[in-house]
Amino acid sequence: EAAVTQSPRNKVAVTGGKVTLSCNQTNNHNNMYWYRQDTGHGLRLIHYSYGAGSTEKGDIPDGYKASRPSQENFSLILELATPSQTSVYFCASGPRLGANTGQLYFGEGSKLTVL
Amino acid sequence: TQTVSQSDAHVTVFEGDSVELRCNYSYGGSIYLSWYIQHHGRGLQFLLKYYSGNPVVQGVNGFEAEFSKSDSSFHLRKASVHWSDSAVYFCAVSRMDSNYQLIWGSGTKLIIKP
Repeated sequence: EAAVTQSPRNKVAVTGGKVTLSCNQTNNHNNMYWYRQDTGHGLRLIHYSYGAGSTEKGDIPDGYKASRPSQENFSLILELATPSQTSVYFCASGPRLGANTGQLYFGEGSKLTVL
Repeated sequence: TQTVSQSDAHVTVFEGDSVELRCNYSYGGSIYLSWYIQHHGRGLQFLLKYYSGNPVVQGVNGFEAEFSKSDSSFHLRKASVHWSDSAVYFCAVSRMDSNYQLIWGSGTKLIIKP
């Protein structure tokens, strides 16, 4: 069974603090993604990666960095957290190309509250 | 600008009813179309996808979707819903010419009345 694990599941941070959200996948997928989900906005892509060592900007990258140190791990980093970054963050993995293109596997989400 | 439109924010039906959740997209090139389900407080789970061939595709738990090129649509259907189908459903389009990045609809919340 494909698996994507996110940590922490819940996080309360202070404005200006640093937050790191971690994601681990056991699917051996090349592609990994970070989304945020807010009421009224649906899913918005923050950063994504095509493999170890690569990171790409998504649609809303400002205020976020990403790191892909290995095939399995993909982190989202908020260097200076702001209240506007309060949201639920989802990590996903997916195959690069092939029969399962378009099929992503999601983690359970990380709820971040920035006070 | 490519868009994915889910015109109904909420759909309410009784358990045992049939349901159709609508998805329209605006893109003329080669695409993959997919549906995902999100139960409350959970991550999204893949339901089904279409790329080519038979325009009616079957997914898990009795869901199916039908692609229509003329209508630019990919509507999701289920013949008889169960209370456990209560969730938010997302339609997504993956474009071949943009590294297969997914464009997401805004979601439709399916509410099942007992």
